[in-house]
Amino acid sequence: GAVVSQHPSRVICKSGTSVKIECRSLDFQATTMFWYRQFPKQSLMLMATSNEGSKATYEQGVEKDKFLINHASLTLSTLTVTSAHPEDSSFYICSAKAAEAFFGQGTRLTVV
Amino acid sequence: AQSVTQPDIHITVSEGASLELRCNYSYGATPYLFWYVQSPGQGLQLLLKYFSGDTLVQGIKGFEAEFKRSQSSFNLRKPSVHWSDAAEYFCAVGPATGGGNKLTFGTGTQLKVEL
Repeated sequence: GAVVSQHPSRVICKSGTSVKIECRSLDFQATTMFWYRQFPKQSLMLMATSNEGSKATYEQGVEKDKFLINHASLTLSTLTVTSAHPEDSSFYICSAKAAEAFFGQGTRLTVV
Repeated sequence: AQSVTQPDIHITVSEGASLELRCNYSYGATPYLFWYVQSPGQGLQLLLKYFSGDTLVQGIKGFEAEFKRSQSSFNLRKPSVHWSDAAEYFCAVGPATGGGNKLTFGTGTQLKVEL
C-alpha cells in the first residue's frame, strides 16, 4: 500500500513553545489529509481535514489558532501546536487520502 | 450521528486459537466499514474494508470480517491467532461517498496473545 511518513515520531517540548509535525505522502499525491488525536487508551478523534491549497476544516471544539494546519503541497501537510501546554500531550496521527486513507506512524508529543 | 462501539476493551487468546473482535455501528445510511490494526507507538494499518457486495470480506494477515446489516455489526475474525497479532484493533465507519473521508473510530480492542 501507499506510504505516509510522519515526523517526528516522538517530541518533548517545554510549555509555551510551538511544535511542528510533518505528514508526507511518499509515493502518491494526497489532495486531502486528516489529522487525528489519540488520548491514552482511547480512540482516534478527528481534529481537522486539510485540503491542499485551501484552509483546513476543523472539527467542533478544536481551536484552529492553537492547532495550525498547512497543506502547501500535494505531498505535505504540517500541524503546528502553538503555545503548547501539558494537556496538549497526546499521540497525533495523520492520514493522507488517495482512493482510501493511509495513516502515518504517529507522533508522540509530550509537553513538560 | 455516526458511532462505533467495540464492546471489548481487552481480549486475551492463546496462540493458535480463533479470534473474534466485535464491532457495532450506528449510521444513517449505507456505511463504509473498516478494520485497522495499530502496533504500539505506530500508526494504523488497514486490515480490510467493506464497501458493498459480498458481506464476508477477506483482509490481510488472514483476517476476515462479516457485515451484518440486521445486527449493525462488522465483527473481525481470524481462525488461528499468531503471537504477532498482538496489537490494538480499531473498527471505523465512514460515509459511502468515498473511502477514508471523516472516519469515526471505535475505542479499540487491545489483543493479547498468550504463547
